[in-house]
Amino acid sequence: NAGVMQNPRHLVRRRGQEARLRCSPVKGHSHVYWYRQLPEEGLKFMVYLQKENIIDESGMPKERFSAEFPKEGPSILRIQQVVRGDSAAYFCASSPSRGGNEKLFFGSGTQLSVL
Amino acid sequence: GQQLNQSPQSMFIQEGEDVSMNCTSSSIFNTWLWYKQEPGEGPVLLIALYKAGELTSNGRLTAQFGITRKDSFLNISASIPSDVGIYFCAGQRRGEETSGSRLTFGEGTQLTVNP
Repeated sequence: NAGVMQNPRHLVRRRGQEARLRCSPVKGHSHVYWYRQLPEEGLKFMVYLQKENIIDESGMPKERFSAEFPKEGPSILRIQQVVRGDSAAYFCASSPSRGGNEKLFFGSGTQLSVL
Repeated sequence: GQQLNQSPQSMFIQEGEDVSMNCTSSSIFNTWLWYKQEPGEGPVLLIALYKAGELTSNGRLTAQFGITRKDSFLNISASIPSDVGIYFCAGQRRGEETSGSRLTFGEGTQLTVNP
């Protein structure tokens, strides 16, 4: 998967807790995309970030979800007060630029299970 | 949001058989990509298509970018057991300020190969 690292691989939370998912892009990539995959479905776009900027968050729920990609360190997808419906696989992908013709390489994902 | 219609949803074939799956869209994409996903992993890029009418091969895989830019197909020849997995098409647009390299995914084709 071309060096996109996600952790943790598996995360179990109880309803009402917070979930933090981390993504370290391919070295040198400054653009990060988060996708969510429900069981037996395709990947759905959530948010697109550049270093220190949110470019497009049109796919992210307005409440409880937030994302950041600081100047230093990994991108973080944060889900507050998780509910059972948040259980899904969350994938991160990165690209070197906003060229619009870049191949996206995905991490192995974080499987979030909400009890 | 934008939908990609991918078919079939699932296929059960014998080892050695050829497989074909396709994706259609109501709007144009500049790039079509095909990914394979195995259980517990992120999507892995198989083939990328950049021009309408383009036909590209990668080993036993062949994919084509439709002339109308609204469809693509993937063929797998002489299937083997390790071809098992979920295959996703994805469309990508250029030129939109906020979309970057964002992908829109189909719902996937689950392929099962019987030895």
